Amino acid sequence: ELKVEQNPLFLSMQEGKNYTIYCNYSTTSDRLYWYRQDPGKSLESLFVLLSNGAVKQEGRLMASLDTKARLSTLHITAAVHDLSATYFCAVVESGGGADGLTFGKGTHLIIQP
Amino acid sequence: NAGVTQTPKFQVLKTGQSMTLQCAQDMNHEYMSWYRQDPGMGLRLIHYSVGAGITDQGEVPNGYNVSRSTTEDFPLRLLSAAPSQTSVYFCASSRFTGFSLTEAFFGQGTRLTVV
Repeated sequence: ELKVEQNPLFLSMQEGKNYTIYCNYSTTSDRLYWYRQDPGKSLESLFVLLSNGAVKQEGRLMASLDTKARLSTLHITAAVHDLSATYFCAVVESGGGADGLTFGKGTHLIIQP
Repeated sequence: NAGVTQTPKFQVLKTGQSMTLQCAQDMNHEYMSWYRQDPGMGLRLIHYSVGAGITDQGEVPNGYNVSRSTTEDFPLRLLSAAPSQTSVYFCASSRFTGFSLTEAFFGQGTRLTVV
């Protein structure tokens, strides 16, 4: 059974600081996704990571994937208040696409001025 | 470009009532799914479908029923609502390659309260 663990689950940080969210998963994976969710809203796709060593960047967010370590990271650079949200990673198990995405529990990020 | 459309956005049910949550997508995606989101639990898969006429159970299927008569629509039925089904429900669609899924596009969610 595929398990996905995110940490931390809650993070309060100051504007301008850097931080990293971690996503570990338990079996081999075809691909990994990062999503953002604002309070009361739906999930918005941030990054799609398809292969070992993949790195994607969008503004102050950068995601990477290490399939050998079964680890993805979401790095926040010089955080700003607008990045406050809950971030989820989701994993598709290799060959198990029909089983859907398995989500981590989410990291609730608060960025304070 | 509508994407994934869910209705209703909010619903209050009494215990024992039944209802259907509607989901439609216009991206011609093969794969559709329903998740529920509960505080501190992330999203958990209820049911999914890899194409019209094909459905299967996810992680938490009890108390829910689905059907997929067309590529576009994937309704979720609550058979006899219970307070434990109070949650936010998301419908999602993806392209399915036969082995893996592309990124999922989510509807706006349905906030359901069972009293």
